[in-house]
Amino acid sequence: AQSVAQPEDQVNVAEGNPLTVKCTYSVSGNPYLFWYVQYPNRGLQFLLKYITGDNLVKGSYGFEAEFNKSQTSFHLKKPSALVSDSALYFCAVRVTGFQKLVFGTGTRLLVSP
Amino acid sequence: DTAVSQTPKYLVTQMGNDKSIKCEQNLGHDTMYWYKQDSKKFLKIMFSYNNKELIINETVPNRFSPKSPDKAHLNLHINSLELGDSAVYFCASSQTSGGDTQYFGPGTRLTVL
Repeated sequence: AQSVAQPEDQVNVAEGNPLTVKCTYSVSGNPYLFWYVQYPNRGLQFLLKYITGDNLVKGSYGFEAEFNKSQTSFHLKKPSALVSDSALYFCAVRVTGFQKLVFGTGTRLLVSP
Repeated sequence: DTAVSQTPKYLVTQMGNDKSIKCEQNLGHDTMYWYKQDSKKFLKIMFSYNNKELIINETVPNRFSPKSPDKAHLNLHINSLELGDSAVYFCASSQTSGGDTQYFGPGTRLTVL
């Protein structure tokens, strides 16, 4: 069964420091991987996705993610965190031939001033 | 213009009642989805429609019935509401049912008393 793991419930980082939010996946077949962000009382906003090609994917708001097939990981990164980046981040996976997203449990990012 | 909209935003009702949530997308997408987010923020797909045809029906109680009058609309009707139905329900849409990005609505917070 396809699954996604986000091992950290919360990540704390100081403003201006780099941030990483971790995601590992387990799928059979080629994964389509996504990152979404959810601000309080809001819907999910798409950040970026990996389908194929370059392992480093750039997305919205300065975020990027690196696909690592050997480690089955798709960590979200940003070189310099902003307080406004504080939110709930979800990793999700879809496998070719399946028509649904399987979400991780979410990681709360807290950026302190 | 809001890409994916849902009404109502909040819904408070008594156990045993029947209620509906409406979703509309103006993105011209073929596929629409309903997700449920529980109190621990865990997201799980419930249903998916592609061009008004049901393509995903997860293990959801029969009390939940989606209806798609056209490909721009996907409504969710819930009969005999139970306490455990309290959650945030998100509608989403994508261009196709493949690996395309899903765009989410703002959510409907359902509270069953």
